Amino acid sequence: DTAVSQTPKYLVTQMGNDKSIKCEQNLGHDTMYWYKQDSKKFLKIMFSYNNKELIINETVPNRFSPKSPDKAHLNLHINSLELGDSAVYFCASSQDPPTGAYNEQFFGPGTRLTVL
Amino acid sequence: ILNVEQSPQSLHVQEGDSTNFTCSFPSSNFYALHWYRWETAKSPEALFVMTLNGDEKKKGRISATLNTKEGYSYLYIKGSQPEDSATYLCAANSGGSNYKLTFGKGTLLTVNP
Repeated sequence: DTAVSQTPKYLVTQMGNDKSIKCEQNLGHDTMYWYKQDSKKFLKIMFSYNNKELIINETVPNRFSPKSPDKAHLNLHINSLELGDSAVYFCASSQDPPTGAYNEQFFGPGTRLTVL
Repeated sequence: ILNVEQSPQSLHVQEGDSTNFTCSFPSSNFYALHWYRWETAKSPEALFVMTLNGDEKKKGRISATLNTKEGYSYLYIKGSQPEDSATYLCAANSGGSNYKLTFGKGTLLTVNP
């Protein structure tokens, strides 16, 4: 069974569209994350949720909105897609307390978003 | 802004060689240091998480050390094998950022048979 899954794996869309990426973890973890791998292959944190509550919200355009319906899911919705949004987006989860990232993070397979 | 620096950026070694990489991070308000192994077309996989100054961890031929006072960690690979070829990422949780892991740019290791 996949521990952290993301759908879709590939997403090709036109500029201006709205799209969502879904993430689910079956590890029973309390904390979930979204990372963006930029053009230089650098992993940057976007958001983090702990027990459905937003913990980290980095300087991300407000076109990006995470939603956590329950602690096993953290979806990423992107409005008005722009060319610069093209990247690989990774979801991750960990069993971390509210005090800090002390435990290893388990990453999903990534979603390659291409905006044309 | 938390800076996590890794060196070297890339490394080519021969099968059987031992090698090591460096990760440096701010030592103030340190919480944890993570090492991940990232193979091409896969997702990062955790190797170690270290929290205490002087920590040493080992997994097979790979080991890591941590110095929180001076802000660095070393990752060692003994007797490199071609399957060790990957990008090795370190990530620090410090500077009062709690959950936020700041990743370095990684060291790309290529082990030639």
